[in-house]
Amino acid sequence: QSALTQPASVSGSPGQSITISCTGTSSDVGGYNYVSWYQQHPGKAPKLMIYEVSNRPSGVSNRFSGSKSGNTASLTISGLQAEDEADYYCSSYTSSSTPNVVFGGGTKLTVL
Amino acid sequence: QVQLVQSGAEVKKPGASVKVSCKASGYTFTSYYMHWVRQAPGQGLEWMGIINPSGGSTSYAQKFQGRVTMTRDTSTSTVYMELSSLRSEDTAVYYCARVGRREVEYDAFDIWGQGTMVTVSS
Repeated sequence: QSALTQPASVSGSPGQSITISCTGTSSDVGGYNYVSWYQQHPGKAPKLMIYEVSNRPSGVSNRFSGSKSGNTASLTISGLQAEDEADYYCSSYTSSSTPNVVFGGGTKLTVL
Repeated sequence: QVQLVQSGAEVKKPGASVKVSCKASGYTFTSYYMHWVRQAPGQGLEWMGIINPSGGSTSYAQKFQGRVTMTRDTSTSTVYMELSSLRSEDTAVYYCARVGRREVEYDAFDIWGQGTMVTVSS
């Protein structure tokens, strides 16, 4: 069982918006602004999409945005495109004893 | 360009050890902490530990304490992850991943290696 809780799957049609949640505790998501989101296509390494809750790395589309409320972080993808279909993982620093980094179980995004 | 290049796939028998390398290029190797993350087939990401490429200090996930050793060679800008007493559950893709901010231990991973498949089978 993963330390952070994500829905197993979400889906949306091209052009729509979807949101993926990531629920932790006050020792991780709720306590620090070190929440990040990764996109992973089959057979590929993860790619950083959002860092420190809501910041986008250079080169990442502004259709991707992040936020946090309490112990739950969220990734929103607007204007869904076929190439957005992938697995998405959230991650956070945790002050609990090791591991010091925890991941969510991953969410499979299907673009209908 | 900034990149991490890992060693090739490995097949090991139960009880053996494996050592995976991760060669960094395109940036100052000693300025950025490196982490190791693994992913079992069809499963999610699992954090294994962190190494400071400058001083060599390490911290490991409790699950791997006693079985994992992370080292670095500053002359070749390479970090290594060795896992011993392998069992079938260790079959996974192993990734090295760089923290995106200089001299910060824990933050987002901006650069990932391509992954190294380790298969443990008798």
